[in-house]
Amino acid sequence: QSALTQPTSVSGSPGQSITISCTGTSSNFGTYNLVSWYRQHPGKAPKLILYAGNKRPSGVSDRFSGSKSGNTASLTISGLRAEDEADYYCSSYADSSPLFGGGTKVTVL
Amino acid sequence: EVQLVESGGDLVQPGGSLRLSCAASGFTFSGHEMNWVRQAPGKGLEWVSYIHNSGTTIYYADSVKGRFTISRDNAKSSLYLQMSSVRPEDTAIYYCTRGPGYYFDYWGQGTLVTVSS
Repeated sequence: QSALTQPTSVSGSPGQSITISCTGTSSNFGTYNLVSWYRQHPGKAPKLILYAGNKRPSGVSDRFSGSKSGNTASLTISGLRAEDEADYYCSSYADSSPLFGGGTKVTVL
Repeated sequence: EVQLVESGGDLVQPGGSLRLSCAASGFTFSGHEMNWVRQAPGKGLEWVSYIHNSGTTIYYADSVKGRFTISRDNAKSSLYLQMSSVRPEDTAIYYCTRGPGYYFDYWGQGTLVTVSS
């Protein structure tokens, strides 16, 4: 399976909202919305920020939200902060096989 | 506090073997599914393998099927990845992760495997 398609980079100013898209095929996403999103700072391990489409693990800010329309999932970060500068990865799950997107570098201007 | 600590990464020659380990603490290891996820230098994430709580159900990515073997020892709260017939494209940081596969809620710090002659 090919990786899910994400934009290479997205940027925004502090306080703004940005959206990262994650595009696949119907076979990538399966029947249920099992999309998850991860944030990775340089030299660190990825961290789960959303799962099952729009559920946030305990301790994750409500500035992060997710949605899905057709074969495109999206992550929206509102109230952008300097600490949000990182790489973001989406992941889908179908046929017992997780699949990651290529990653999006978020720059806070 | 949940902790996952990987070890065993090293420089290995193409065609060689290596065994990675992951020591888990801070949670009931036998109650959770586990995975290995890797990241080549400067590249994105790639899921490698999954193992159910009891070890009875196992899945592999096509890229490693037949060469890698995942296992676990619930009595030792440990996860393993036996890597055989390694290739240069297996060079990556290997992360031990907790989760059912449709999400990974905890990640270790990773261990670096370099395949080169």
